[in-house]
This record gives sequence, structure tokens and C-alpha cells, in this order.
Amino acid sequence: AQSVTQLDSHVSVSEGTPVLLRCNYSSSYSPSLFWYVQHPNKGLQLLLKYTSAATLVKGINGFEAEFKKSETSFHLTKPSAHMSDAAEYFCVVSLNTGGFKTIFGAGTRLFVKA
Amino acid sequence: DVKVTQSSRYLVKRTGEKVFLECVQDMDHENMFWYRQDPGLGLRLIYFSYDVKMKEKGDIPEGYSVSREKKERFSLILESASTNQTSMYLCASSLPERSSYEQYFGPGTRLTVT
Repeated sequence: AQSVTQLDSHVSVSEGTPVLLRCNYSSSYSPSLFWYVQHPNKGLQLLLKYTSAATLVKGINGFEAEFKKSETSFHLTKPSAHMSDAAEYFCVVSLNTGGFKTIFGAGTRLFVKA
Repeated sequence: DVKVTQSSRYLVKRTGEKVFLECVQDMDHENMFWYRQDPGLGLRLIYFSYDVKMKEKGDIPEGYSVSREKKERFSLILESASTNQTSMYLCASSLPERSSYEQYFGPGTRLTVT
């Protein structure tokens, strides 16, 4: 069965320190992997995606993620947090299983302290 | 700039009312989706449509129906609203078929059923 697990429901960092949001997936198929960000009262916006090319993917606003097949992980990182990064982040797996299926993680809320 | 718009940002309805949520996209996308978002549960797919007049049930279709008469418009219908349908509803669209295509989201409609 396919699944996505975001390992932390909440992460709190100080401004200027690194950010790590963790995501593990389970899939029998070769997945495409995405990270989306949702600011309060807004829709989801794509941060970055992995689609079987380079395993280190760079996204918008200084975020990047590394696909590690052996660990079935796709963790999101940023070297230095900014106050504007405070939001909810979703890890998403998309599969072609003969049909189209997208699975969302439960989300990680990032708090950034001044 | 790509755009997915939803007819209302906030909606308050009474139990038993018929509720229509409208979504319009201007990207000529074949796929359109309706999700509900609840704290700690991420996004759950209600219905999706891969073409005009075509629809597929998602993970939680009970109590909902959809309509897609034109390519750019996808409507979600709550036939008889109930309090457990109080939620944030998100519409999205994407290019067809390939799992590597990201989804574009609208800003969401926060529905309260009293």
C-alpha cells in the first residue's frame, strides 16, 4: 500500500537557523514527490518536485529536498529560516498505478521565532 | 500567471441546505479536483474529473456530488449539508495523466454548517 508520513506535526525554529521537515513514503511504484506550502487562509503552493531526474531538488525561497530511495525519504531543508517561512508544509506522493493517485501527508506546521 | 478561483472564501450554511461550491481555472487543464482539509488529516480527495462530464470518486465521496459541464469549471455539491461537513474545501487543477504534473490550488472555501 502507498502512504506518506510526515514525521513531525509541528517544528519550531529560530530565525536564521536551519529548517528540516521530514517525510517518508511507502510505494511499490516509482513515485513523483512534491512539497507544497500553505500560508494561513491560502491555497497550497508548489515548493519543489522530484520526478526521477536529479535526486537533490531545489525549489523556491531557498528550500531544497533530497530524494533517498534507500531510505524512502524526501526531507525538506532550508539553511536559514525567515519569519515569512512560517506556514504549513505538505509532502505529497503522486503515482501512476494504472490510474492516477495522489497521496498527501498530514502536514507539518513550521513556527519561526524571532 | 496561472489561476484557480473559488466562488467564496467563507460560507455559513444551515443543516439540510443544498450547498454549491464553484471552482474555475484558466489554464485549460483537463484534470480538476475537490479536496477537504481538516486539521491533522491533510487533504483528502472527494472527487476528481479528467474531462468534461467525466468524474471519479475519491477517498471520501459520501454526501457529495460534482458537476463538470465546461472544461474550466468544476462544482462541488453538498446535497444536504451536515455539521460534519464543516471544513476547508480546496479545488485544484492539473495537466492530464502523468503523475509528475503538479496541481494548482485555489485559495479555499471555509464552510461552516450550523
